[in-house]
Amino acid sequence: QVQLQESGPGLVRPSETLSLTCSVSGGSISHSYWNWIRQPAGKRLEWIGRLYGSGTTNYNPSLKSRVTMSLDTSKNQLSLRLTSVTAADTAVYYCATDAGFSSSWFVSWGQGTLVTVSS
Amino acid sequence: QSVLTQPSSVSGAPGQRVTISCTGSGSNIGAGYDVHWYQQLPGTAPKLLIFGNTDRPSGVPDRFSGSKSGTSASLAITGLQTEDEADYYCQSYDSLSGSVFGGGTKLTVL
Repeated sequence: QVQLQESGPGLVRPSETLSLTCSVSGGSISHSYWNWIRQPAGKRLEWIGRLYGSGTTNYNPSLKSRVTMSLDTSKNQLSLRLTSVTAADTAVYYCATDAGFSSSWFVSWGQGTLVTVSS
Repeated sequence: QSVLTQPSSVSGAPGQRVTISCTGSGSNIGAGYDVHWYQQLPGTAPKLLIFGNTDRPSGVPDRFSGSKSGTSASLAITGLQTEDEADYYCQSYDSLSGSVFGGGTKLTVL
């Protein structure tokens, strides 16, 4: 089964851009569906967006104006950029793969990385 | 943003049966989209427990079962064990929002 590992800065200043990377092993990112999901402390999980190997993306409407997801096939990595962050963006961020259709379940998850937005 | 509603907590004694409900609306569960369930132990990523309303991934004990009816779904856990103490989340798809999750239910094994 594919394994995922998130990485990135643990602290981001307000109004700046959050950038995270998810390294994938055990499978090619070109032929799967990839998601970013976040979880503020003590709160519900929130789906951020979905990306297919071809580059097709779907974003949560509430975050769409600030989110960009992309793939680096040479490194077998996916990336997340979230602009103009505020304290409300403080959360554990997970990358996850799904079963291949929009309404599917999330099969494999990374361990998550905590991002704190603070000055 | 459309969301799914779960009870904040449930509890039961070892060996008992508990159920966790997940209530949606006509744009998600009621529209026919499947419900999936995850178990999250403290400090870890969610783990898939039930997919497609009723199916279990390999390795998940048959003590865990799921059902769906109308705009709601339920997760049942029988023969409760101390290791089942965790947070449980339901997830579905919403035609307006994409994938959506419930608020999570904390299961306490008394």
